[in-house]
Amino acid sequence: EDQVTQSPEALRLQEGESSSLNCSYTVSGLRGLFWYRQDPGKGPEFLFTLYSAGEEKEKERLKATLTKKESFLHITAPKPEDSATYLCAVRSSNTGKLIFGQGTTLQVKP
Amino acid sequence: NAGVTQTPKFQVLKTGQSMTLQCAQDMNHEYMSWYRQDPGMGLRLIHYSVGAGITDQGEVPNGYNVSRSTTEDFPLRLLSAAPSQTSVYFCASSAGTGGQVYYGYTFGSGTRLTVV
Repeated sequence: EDQVTQSPEALRLQEGESSSLNCSYTVSGLRGLFWYRQDPGKGPEFLFTLYSAGEEKEKERLKATLTKKESFLHITAPKPEDSATYLCAVRSSNTGKLIFGQGTTLQVKP
Repeated sequence: NAGVTQTPKFQVLKTGQSMTLQCAQDMNHEYMSWYRQDPGMGLRLIHYSVGAGITDQGEVPNGYNVSRSTTEDFPLRLLSAAPSQTSVYFCASSAGTGGQVYYGYTFGSGTRLTVV
């Protein structure tokens, strides 16, 4: 059974304090690992897609990396506007479904 | 481009009532899905479709029906609303497979449903 686990559930950082969010997964035939950002009262917003181990993607202060068992979302020198819930999801070759983890809620204080 | 449009944005139902949540996309996407989001539960897949005329169940399909008569529309029907169906519902769409990989989903802004 495809499964996605994110940690920590919540993370509080001071502005400028770098950290990482973890996404562990088990999937039968990975066909993409996705990171989304979700602001309160809104739908998830696409950030990155990673397809193979060793792949990295960057966008502003965010960098996503992928291994065979997990993905990390590194946040460098975060700002208060980076506060949001970050969701990880996987798609498998068996079903094509997109299965989500429970998310990590990030709060960045000025 | 409108992207993925969901209506209504808010709805209050009485237990036992039925209703349809509407979802439309203008990106000619093959894949469409419905999710519900509850506190502490994350996004859970209700039903999904890989093309017009083809639908399948997700993780939590009970109490919901879907159909996909056109590429653009993917309505979600609540047959007999129950308080346990109080949730935020998201519709999402995605382009088809790019060879050995899949594309990410684009999400609508959600429908907040309360069943009393």
